[in-house]
Amino acid sequence: QQQVKQSPQSLIVQKGGISIINCAYENTAFDYFPWYQQFPGKGPALLIAIRPDVSEKKEGRFTISFNKSAKQFSLHIMDSQPGDSATYFCAAMSPVVSSNTGKLIFGQGTTLQVKP
Amino acid sequence: KAGVTQTPRYLIKTRGQQVTLSCSPISGHRSVSWYQQTPGQGLQFLFEYFSETQRNKGNFPGRFSGRQFSNSRSEMNVSTLELGDSALYLCASSLKSGSTAYEQYFGPGTRLTVT
Repeated sequence: QQQVKQSPQSLIVQKGGISIINCAYENTAFDYFPWYQQFPGKGPALLIAIRPDVSEKKEGRFTISFNKSAKQFSLHIMDSQPGDSATYFCAAMSPVVSSNTGKLIFGQGTTLQVKP
Repeated sequence: KAGVTQTPRYLIKTRGQQVTLSCSPISGHRSVSWYQQTPGQGLQFLFEYFSETQRNKGNFPGRFSGRQFSNSRSEMNVSTLELGDSALYLCASSLKSGSTAYEQYFGPGTRLTVT
C-alpha cells in the first residue's frame, strides 16, 4: 500500500513533442505529490508538486495532472527539449502532522531522452 | 542561499568497515532526511531527523544509524559494511513549517563503493 508505481520505464520523444509520465498510488493518506528531475551525477531536483485539493498545476512547460478518484497523477512536459533529457521520479508523502513526519515514497523512475 | 551540501562526495570502503557521511542542510531548514539510491531498488527512505530527534525510520537494518546536531547538520553511519551497501546516499533538507513544509531539497549525494 506504500508503493508508487511509475510508467513508462523509459521514454524517447522528439524535440518539441510532449512527454508524459504516469504514476499510480494506493495509499489514500498520501497528500503531497512531487516530481523530481535527476541528471547523471546529481541529486534529484524538485521540479513541481501538487496537493490533492487541485486537479492540475502548471509551471512553465511542466504540468501535473491529478486524478484523486483514480489515484493517479502524471507529469506532462510540453515542447520537450534535449536539455530535458534526464531521469524523472514521482513521489508521494503522507501528511506532516505535528511532531510526526512524512517520508517520500518514490516511483522507480523514467529515463527521458529528447531527440534533437 | 546555499543548497544542501554532502561530504565526502565519493568514498571507497572495504567490507566490514564502517563509514560516516555528513550533510549540511539549507540554512534555516531543521529537518534532514536520508535516502539510499541504487539501480535495483531505486530511491528508498532511510530516516529523518528533526530537532535532533529521529522522527521516522525506513526498512533498513540497525547497521544504518544517524544523528542530528543542534545546528541541524546530520550524519549517517553504516557499520559492518556489506557489498550491497554500495549506493548513492542522498540527504534532503526541509523547512518543515509553513506553506513549504513538505518540500524536500536534495544534496548531490555521497557515492559509496564497498569492495
